[in-house]
Amino acid sequence: GAGVSQSPSNKVTEKGKDVELRCDPISGHTALYWYRQSLGQGLEFLIYFQGNSAPDKSGLPSDRFSAERTGGSVSTLTIQRTQQEDSAVYLCASSSRTGYSNQPQHFGDGTRLSIL
Amino acid sequence: SQKIEQNSEALNIQEGKTATLTCNYTNYSPAYLQWYRQDPGRGPVFLLLIRENEKEKRKERLKVTFDTTLKQSLFHITASQPADSATYLCAFMTTDSWGKLQFGAGTQVVVTP
Repeated sequence: GAGVSQSPSNKVTEKGKDVELRCDPISGHTALYWYRQSLGQGLEFLIYFQGNSAPDKSGLPSDRFSAERTGGSVSTLTIQRTQQEDSAVYLCASSSRTGYSNQPQHFGDGTRLSIL
Repeated sequence: SQKIEQNSEALNIQEGKTATLTCNYTNYSPAYLQWYRQDPGRGPVFLLLIRENEKEKRKERLKVTFDTTLKQSLFHITASQPADSATYLCAFMTTDSWGKLQFGAGTQVVVTP
């Protein structure tokens, strides 16, 4: 597709389970970002991938959160041993070129994660 | 600590009027500022970008200003239409955090016919 694709669009799981969220960025975009948005809140930065560089993981809230990007394209955000406070919308974005140029970020519609 | 503030109260405005949104920041030296629109259940959509050395940027009915002295950006929607109803987010990127946008919580705009 032409835009950023995220799956699943909704995920309901029990506390303590692991979840995997997927992001397909726009083809050719070298930068990929994950954000978290809680109800009525702004976007909280989680992690940033740029090309083949080591990812910037400074926003990950705990070691239960991890992400990888395979082949410079698809990314997976994994949350282990989910907690109720992990409930939020997880948004993925991609952009072209590098962080030294301020390119707009193109967002997917997110995965709404609900932890019971 | 670094902070971005947008008015949390919804802005209700009549069709045809100009909507003005405020984004204030503290303890930042942003190099770039971006504005996004977000509709319910959707991801943000990029609208405008302005650099620290630019005072004003326009795109169709949208105008953004950036005042580094006041530490403030204003976002204007002129001749507003009901289709402009959405939440508008400001976001900063600083020179010590390239690639990472820091977002405000957003302001909801409701345009009534």
